[in-house]
Amino acid sequence: GIQVEQSPPDLILQEGANSTLRCNFSDSVNNLQWFHQNPWGQLINLFYIPSGTKQNGRLSATTVATERYSLLYISSSQTTDSGVYFCAATSGTYKYIFGTGTRLKVLA
Amino acid sequence: NAGVTQTPKFQVLKTGQSMTLQCAQDMNHEYMSWYRQDPGMGLRLIHYSVGAGITDQGEVPNGYNVSRSTTEDFPLRLLSAAPSQTSVYFCASSKYRKSGNTIYFGEGSWLTVV
Repeated sequence: GIQVEQSPPDLILQEGANSTLRCNFSDSVNNLQWFHQNPWGQLINLFYIPSGTKQNGRLSATTVATERYSLLYISSSQTTDSGVYFCAATSGTYKYIFGTGTRLKVLA
Repeated sequence: NAGVTQTPKFQVLKTGQSMTLQCAQDMNHEYMSWYRQDPGMGLRLIHYSVGAGITDQGEVPNGYNVSRSTTEDFPLRLLSAAPSQTSVYFCASSKYRKSGNTIYFGEGSWLTVV
């Protein structure tokens, strides 16, 4: 099955800094999503992005399916951005495999 | 519209006991699934369903049973709890759309097996 790897595993930023999180996958995928897990454990969907680029405020994501990677950009980071960021991918429609996440801490 | 609702939020079990984690969604989603999250790890798929009466195994199905008798409900049963099943369990759902099937998660159920 698909293998999903995320990097870096941990990231510490000062408030206002920019960052790029990477998600590599081992096989071609039909669907890819990014999630944020806040410090209370809640999982929020950020992007559904099997290919191309999307933006939502300070966050944007790009997936290059032919090269088997996706990037999540966070600009002007805020302390509320802290938490764990996961990507999840599937080669079908529903059976998503998650990466192990990037743990982000934004310092005030 | 409550989204995805999981109960209980916290549970302590003794080894060998059985229990059911409940999951309900009110968004008429075809797809529902259960994941477990262990410390420092991502989410691993336990079982999933693409509609009432249809279920299938995920990455880590052993020790768990599921059924899907209605569109709304997807309970997860632990048959004989083991300490290795101590984890946080998340239920998720999504609706198939050509534009993409965004996944919605419940708030999680923290399970400790002693």
